[in-house]
Formats: sequence, structure tokens, C-alpha cells
Amino acid sequence: QKEVEQDPGPLSVPEGAIVSLNCTYSNSAFQYFMWYRQYSRKGPELLMYTYSSGNKEDGRFTAQVDKSSKYISLFIRDSQPSDSATYLCAMRDSWGKLQFGAGTQVVVTP
Amino acid sequence: DAGVIQSPRHEVTEMGQEVTLRCKPISGHNSLFWYRQTMMRGLELLIYFNNNVPIDDSGMPEDRFSAKMPNASFSTLKIQPSEPRDSAVYFCASSLELQGGYGYTFGSGTRLTVV
Repeated sequence: QKEVEQDPGPLSVPEGAIVSLNCTYSNSAFQYFMWYRQYSRKGPELLMYTYSSGNKEDGRFTAQVDKSSKYISLFIRDSQPSDSATYLCAMRDSWGKLQFGAGTQVVVTP
Repeated sequence: DAGVIQSPRHEVTEMGQEVTLRCKPISGHNSLFWYRQTMMRGLELLIYFNNNVPIDDSGMPEDRFSAKMPNASFSTLKIQPSEPRDSAVYFCASSLELQGGYGYTFGSGTRLTVV
């Protein structure tokens, strides 16, 4: 079993809809949780970073962490065609390297 | 800052040839990572360095792969001899610190095709 599980999609939504992405993990030592966005033929770029359980907002993006359930989520409000990309969750403990999910491909249709 | 710089952007080579990928991390970052990305396997960590010292190379697929970091501003990943199954996008990433909550900054990648 992988330490980080993420549905690869694709996830197709109409413009303006809310995009909901999630990952589950098995290692309770993970303390830092991140979301990366990767456009086609580009490197992943850090989108959101959270440390503790709870919500974090940045513009149209909200990251949620539920450590008790080992579950993290990313919500994109008012989605735009420019949000079409692959979204990867990533997490690490205080010492180790980042563990990435497989990535979910999101397509926002006009 | 120009970010993490990788070269070349694209590389097409024949099976059996030596391939060298290059990376310049962000100035001041002390950790450097080499990843390989394929459709089938996603992002795979190959090796990472901390303060120019290799820490974990357990992800290197076999002895044909080697990586060096002679100084804080340069790293190479070499494949010798190359095989068609090495075809992938290779990313270099750097981080301010190895421990803690620091994210990685990725380069634009090198798309390697071995024919």
C-alpha cells in the first residue's frame, strides 16, 4: 500500500464550479501537507502549504487537513479554464523527504 | 531569482549512449532532489543531497544511474548506458532546508527520449 493515495482522475467540471480534490495517507508521522499544481510540460509548483489540522484559505483556494482521519483536501472555488492542470498532494514528517500522491488531472470546461 | 534551472530541456539519444542532465538550484537552498516522472509511475524520487552530500540514493533504479553535486550551485544526473525504458521527464528540485515544512521548488524538467 502506498503511503499517499490520490485518485488520478480525470476530474472534469464546468467553469465556475467548485473543484474538490483529496488525498489519504497512512503515515501518522506526517506533519507538513502541501498541494502542488503542474501544468502540462511544466514542473510542479507549490500552491498551498499547511502544518496543522484545519483550514487554510488563499484566494479561491482552500486547503483542509484532518489528521485524525489522515485525509487532506483542496477546494478551488469559481474554477476557471486556467485552473486545468494536474494537482499533486505532498506530505512529509519533520525529517523525511516529501511523499507525493499520483496527482489528479483537472479539466475545467468553458 | 531565476528559480531552479535545468538543461537541456529536451534530449533525444540512442540506446547505449551516455546522457548527462544538469541542474542549478536556487541560491541559498541547501537540499537538492532529482525526480523522474512517467505516466505509469508518477513522480519518483531518485536521489537527494543535503549540503552537497548524497543522503539517500535508494530510488536510483540501477548502477547505470549516477548523480553528483560538486558544489552548492550545480548537480548532474548521468545515465550510462541509456535504455529506452529510461525515457521520462527528469526534474530537479531544491529546498531551503531538508527538515521541516519547507516545500520544494522544481525546475522545468528535462524530457528524455531514448530510441
